[in-house]
Amino acid sequence: AAGVIQSPRHLIKEKRETATLKCYPIPRHDTVYWYQQGPGQDPQFLISFYEKMQSDKGSIPDRFSAQQFSDYHSELNMSSLELGDSALYFCASSHELAGTSGGTIYNEQFFGPGTRLTVL
Amino acid sequence: AQKITQTQPGMFVQEKEAVTLDCTYDTSDPSYGLFWYKQPSSGEMIFLIYQGSYDQQNATEGRYSLNFQKARKSANLVISASQLGDSAMYFCAMRWKYNFNKFYFGSGTKLNVKP
Repeated sequence: AAGVIQSPRHLIKEKRETATLKCYPIPRHDTVYWYQQGPGQDPQFLISFYEKMQSDKGSIPDRFSAQQFSDYHSELNMSSLELGDSALYFCASSHELAGTSGGTIYNEQFFGPGTRLTVL
Repeated sequence: AQKITQTQPGMFVQEKEAVTLDCTYDTSDPSYGLFWYKQPSSGEMIFLIYQGSYDQQNATEGRYSLNFQKARKSANLVISASQLGDSAMYFCAMRWKYNFNKFYFGSGTKLNVKP
């Protein structure tokens, strides 16, 4: 079965550079989420998109921006990179409409393999 | 505020034995979903099991079962017959009906299975 695809898998950047992470959700999934997981930390929600519109925003720095395109893939753009941005960045997708009937939230988010960003 | 707590930063278990990983949560919303994910050292997040707040029975998926005690707000993961490949980080996560756009994760439990 198709899974969430993230590219690149590994990325090394210098401070103050920019980076673009890409996410290709599972076909027919309408929602994309971005998470940041620092070393030894739990994943922290950054931002989500439903049907190409931003649906929720978490602890995403102003230096970061994201969008979802007409083919449902999403890109996370990170500018003025800092050492503290070094982390594993996960993209996840789900089919929200299928998961919220009857008050039950039963659709899990399918996570991609992550992009490991290292800022030097 | 919603909150997920995993009180065991690390655990050891002997191969072939069962182990319980604790997860408690705090929410005032009656409708929510509880999830467990496994994260091996390679980094990917692997979905294990789901429990809905209105589900009458505890969820089971193969060797994984969820001990859901709604009144105590706990959703412990039980892994039976541990295998060496079960060594990984395990995260408990929640979604709430009226804020279902994101997961809130616990801090994780590092499980080490000893041969």
